[in-house]
Amino acid sequence: GQNIDQPTEMTATEGAIVQINCTYQTSGFNGLFWYQQHAGEAPTFLSYNVLDGLEEKGRFSSFLSRSKGYSYLLLKELQMKDSASYLCAVRDLTGGGNKLTFGTGTQLKVEL
Amino acid sequence: DAGITQSPRHKVTETGTPVTLRCHQTENHRYMYWYRQDPGHGLRLIHYSYGVKDTDKGEVSDGYSVSRSKTEDFLLTLESATSSQTSVYFCAISDSTDRGYGYTFGSGTRLTVV
Repeated sequence: GQNIDQPTEMTATEGAIVQINCTYQTSGFNGLFWYQQHAGEAPTFLSYNVLDGLEEKGRFSSFLSRSKGYSYLLLKELQMKDSASYLCAVRDLTGGGNKLTFGTGTQLKVEL
Repeated sequence: DAGITQSPRHKVTETGTPVTLRCHQTENHRYMYWYRQDPGHGLRLIHYSYGVKDTDKGEVSDGYSVSRSKTEDFLLTLESATSSQTSVYFCAISDSTDRGYGYTFGSGTRLTVV
């Protein structure tokens, strides 16, 4: 089975930097994804890591350490529109099907 | 954006009635999935498909069945709806295990069982 943990809620200030952590345990790891989900909407893809290290994409960066079963999503220069839920998901190829298992999400609130 | 649509977007149904949700894609992707999203549980996989007429169960498949007779359509059926199946249902598609694209999600179906 798989276990994915991330904080339930975080609050940060506009213009600041926030780091959302995710830890996981899985047997057939084949990639970690971060999704953003605004209230009432579908999740949208943010980032993907399959090798150790940092992937940067504009204001968003994602880090992976496979040996530690750990990832984080870093959001810089926070804007009010970044208030959303951030979902960590792990792809496990055990049993086939390109299945993703999701954490319960971190609700980020950006304040003035 | 990938072409994926879900119907209906909202539905209220009575306990014990059958309900079918439809997911339609225009991307010719191989994999299709049904998830449900509930507070405190996140997204949980119900069923998935890896080709026409090829489907398999996810972690919360009890009370649900699926069918995929064409590449573009993946149907989710609640045989006899219960209040515990009140949820938001998301369909997703993906094209390959070799690419870092993960899933593309439909807009969701909000189902209420009364």
